Amino acid sequence: DAGVTQSPTHLIKTRGQHVTLRCSPISGHKSVSWYQQVLGQGPQFIFQYYEKEERGRGNFPDRFSARQFPNYSSELNVNALLLGDSALYLCASSSPGQGVYEQYFGPGTRLTVT
Amino acid sequence: AQTVTQSQPEMSVQEAETVTLSCTYDTSESDYYLFWYKQPPSRQMILVIRQEAYKQQNATENRFSVNFQKAAKSFSLKISDSQLGDAAMYFCAYRSLNDMRFGAGTRLTVKP
Repeated sequence: DAGVTQSPTHLIKTRGQHVTLRCSPISGHKSVSWYQQVLGQGPQFIFQYYEKEERGRGNFPDRFSARQFPNYSSELNVNALLLGDSALYLCASSSPGQGVYEQYFGPGTRLTVT
Repeated sequence: AQTVTQSQPEMSVQEAETVTLSCTYDTSESDYYLFWYKQPPSRQMILVIRQEAYKQQNATENRFSVNFQKAAKSFSLKISDSQLGDAAMYFCAYRSLNDMRFGAGTRLTVKP
């Protein structure tokens, strides 16, 4: 089985622009979470989605939004990009159900804002 | 708010020796899981070991084991017989139903 996949691998954007990051979970996984990892720090929780509904949100501004599709893939959208949004964005999926199962991470999308 | 603290930014171990990475956390919840993740330079986050808070027995996965002290809110990782491939950033993580927190990480260097 394929692991969690994310696209694109790398992305360069200009301040003020909008960006969309994509994630496909492991087959059968219904929960997807997004994390922001700034260089030299641990990942920071942004969102968790389960069965297309938001189930958790971290301390991020409203410029960050996400959604989950019927096939359980997910998009993370960031509007009005700031230099501080430059980071590695990680997606993780969880095994069936909404329990506190371990998460499996994708390789991440490296976003650079100039 | 739940916090996860890793007090060792960097650790070094000789190949074949044992090293212990420290982690403490703070929570008011009773139902949670704790994890150690490894992130090599390739950046893919890999699950090393997990511990359910309701279990008293410490988790073990081959050369990796944890020392879970629930009352002290401590969750350390012991790596035995260290190998060159163990070199990476190690993150301690706390997860409850709708939240997940990571520590700042410990960079482990393995010397041949």
